[in-house]
Amino acid sequence: AQSVTQPDIHITVSEGASLELRCNYSYGATPYLFWYVQSPGQGLQLLLKYFSGDTLVQGIKGFEAEFKRSQSSFNLRKPSVHWSDAAEYFCAVGPWTSGTYKYIFGTGTRLKVLA
Amino acid sequence: EAGVTQFPSHSVIEKGQTVTLRCDPISGHDNLYWYRRVMGKEIKFLLHFVKESKQDESGMPNNRFLAERTGGTYSTLKVQPAELEDSGVYFCASSQEVGINEQYFGPGTRLTVT
Repeated sequence: AQSVTQPDIHITVSEGASLELRCNYSYGATPYLFWYVQSPGQGLQLLLKYFSGDTLVQGIKGFEAEFKRSQSSFNLRKPSVHWSDAAEYFCAVGPWTSGTYKYIFGTGTRLKVLA
Repeated sequence: EAGVTQFPSHSVIEKGQTVTLRCDPISGHDNLYWYRRVMGKEIKFLLHFVKESKQDESGMPNNRFLAERTGGTYSTLKVQPAELEDSGVYFCASSQEVGINEQYFGPGTRLTVT
């Protein structure tokens, strides 16, 4: 069955430190991959997506993610975290075939940023 | 351009009552999706509309849930009668075209059933 695993429920980092959020997926073919962020009171905002091509994807707010087929991973990174990055982050895959376009989400990682 | 909006933002009801959630997609988006997040769990797909037709309703948990999208614009999700396990955050999303493209999410409706 298709699934997405985000092994870290909570992560705390200091402002200015680097960040890596992990995401692993289970799917037989190459999926379409996404990272979304939800800030308090806001909807899910797309940070970046991978459909094909270059496996290192640049997103908004200084985030990037790397698709590693051999590890079935799509980890999110940021070199220097800002206090405003405190939010919940969701990895999602779109194992899309004809007729169905639903996302499968991980359980989310809540990021806390220390001043 | 307005994003996806959802109403209400929060609803507290008693077990056995009825609640109706509303979603207004981005103007011009034919595709509308409903998802639900139960506390501590992943966000799960409920169903997908293309205009007013249900394209995929494989995630609807049971027949207490009824989704409609009359006229292909806004959508409603009714829960009747509500049970305790229905508590969670209900997200709506929309996309312009069917197929490989991103979905735009609303802020969600937090439903609490007591």
